[in-house]
Amino acid sequence: EPEVTQTPSHQVTQMGQEVILHCVPISNHLYFYWYRQILGQKVEFLVSFYNNEISEKSEIFDDQFSVERPDGSNFTLKIRSTKLEDSAMYFCASSQFMNTEAFFGQGTRLTVV
Amino acid sequence: QQQVKQSPQSLIVQKGGISIINCAYENTAFDYFPWYQQFPGKGPALLIAIRPDVSEKKEGRFTISFNKSAKQFSLHIMDSQPGDSATYFCAASRTEYGNKLVFGAGTILRVKS
Repeated sequence: EPEVTQTPSHQVTQMGQEVILHCVPISNHLYFYWYRQILGQKVEFLVSFYNNEISEKSEIFDDQFSVERPDGSNFTLKIRSTKLEDSAMYFCASSQFMNTEAFFGQGTRLTVV
Repeated sequence: QQQVKQSPQSLIVQKGGISIINCAYENTAFDYFPWYQQFPGKGPALLIAIRPDVSEKKEGRFTISFNKSAKQFSLHIMDSQPGDSATYFCAASRTEYGNKLVFGAGTILRVKS
């Protein structure tokens, strides 16, 4: 069964450093998403991406964040100048069309120290 | 207005019993209500979803009940099994925003054998 793959599973970074989280969406999917879940809190929408541009973003997704699809298979989330409060589980998801099921990856746990 | 409130936070049910998880929303523009199941170390996976044109949807042992006037929806798991032990999230979205999902806080279900 096709799945969304995220790497690394756990990333530890120093405060102020930049991190890039990697995702390989399902191959025939056209819509891509990032969500995050701070420990003990809700899963929160960050951004959706379609046709090489951001289609929706939340107020969390400020200038510190950026997304990119650098090639035909990868979808990345870059966090510049990480802060302690960026520590969370980050989930990538993809869907074939805008209103079809979103499939989630297993997540990357980001720890900022 | 964007919130989805979920209860209870945790639930313990005997094997064979019925598990019931409730969600309430404020935004009447929401028109898609999925439930996600998450096992430890995995991303959320779509379990069942409903749109407001029906009041109930059943798939196997899982049923969503939807009350549009009360702005509430619930997940019923019949004949609960130990393998159902997981975290369950309700969510809501607007069709025009695709998979920009607003999640509930999650319910940790434990089914005792």
